[in-house]
Amino acid sequence: GESVGLHLPTLSVQEGDNSIINCAYSNSASDYFIWYKQESGKGPQFIIDIRSNMDKRQGQRVTVLLNKTVKHLSLQIAATQPGDSAVYFCAENAGGTSYGKLTFGQGTILTVHP
Amino acid sequence: GAVVSQHPSRVICKSGTSVKIECRSLDFQATTMFWYRQFPKQSLMLMATSNEGSKATYEQGVEKDKFLINHASLTLSTLTVTSAHPEDSSFYICSATLGTALSVGYTFGSGTRLTVV
Repeated sequence: GESVGLHLPTLSVQEGDNSIINCAYSNSASDYFIWYKQESGKGPQFIIDIRSNMDKRQGQRVTVLLNKTVKHLSLQIAATQPGDSAVYFCAENAGGTSYGKLTFGQGTILTVHP
Repeated sequence: GAVVSQHPSRVICKSGTSVKIECRSLDFQATTMFWYRQFPKQSLMLMATSNEGSKATYEQGVEKDKFLINHASLTLSTLTVTSAHPEDSSFYICSATLGTALSVGYTFGSGTRLTVV
């Protein structure tokens, strides 16, 4: 079936650097996307979301970019901090009868070195 | 903010026994809750959608007789793993929608680590 995929990459950065985490999705019907942060042994924590009628959205230190043409989503973290170390997942919702059902990508492990 | 409480956080049970996991929305009414399963170093996989007052909708490949879901009130959904086996050992996570509009993300519980021995 269609899925959101991240192919298990890892990303190591130095404290203070900017981080970019990428996600490719395959369901062209998806109209809502969310980035989550998951620390070990905990549930996913909401970071930022974006609807399909937008191509960019900014939060505090984070920016999500959506490119529907190539079905690509990215999360940019500015001035990355050690506390940002976690697994990051993108998730999509197809809306309609699938309202509320999220399909998750495989996750990216972000490690921030002091 | 919206909080979803999940209990227990960890449970160890013997093979063949049943385990119940609770998911509560603490400060809002959740008409719909979702149950996910996450194996080590893997992503979250949706198991079922739980609607208050009606039968849960299970994803393909999820045994409804093994994973019993009850959503008796607007603030509580339970997942019971029946006749648990070691392969059921996993991290189970619930989430709840905050309403009918996609104005906010979905709030997740803190997860339950199930170990079947």
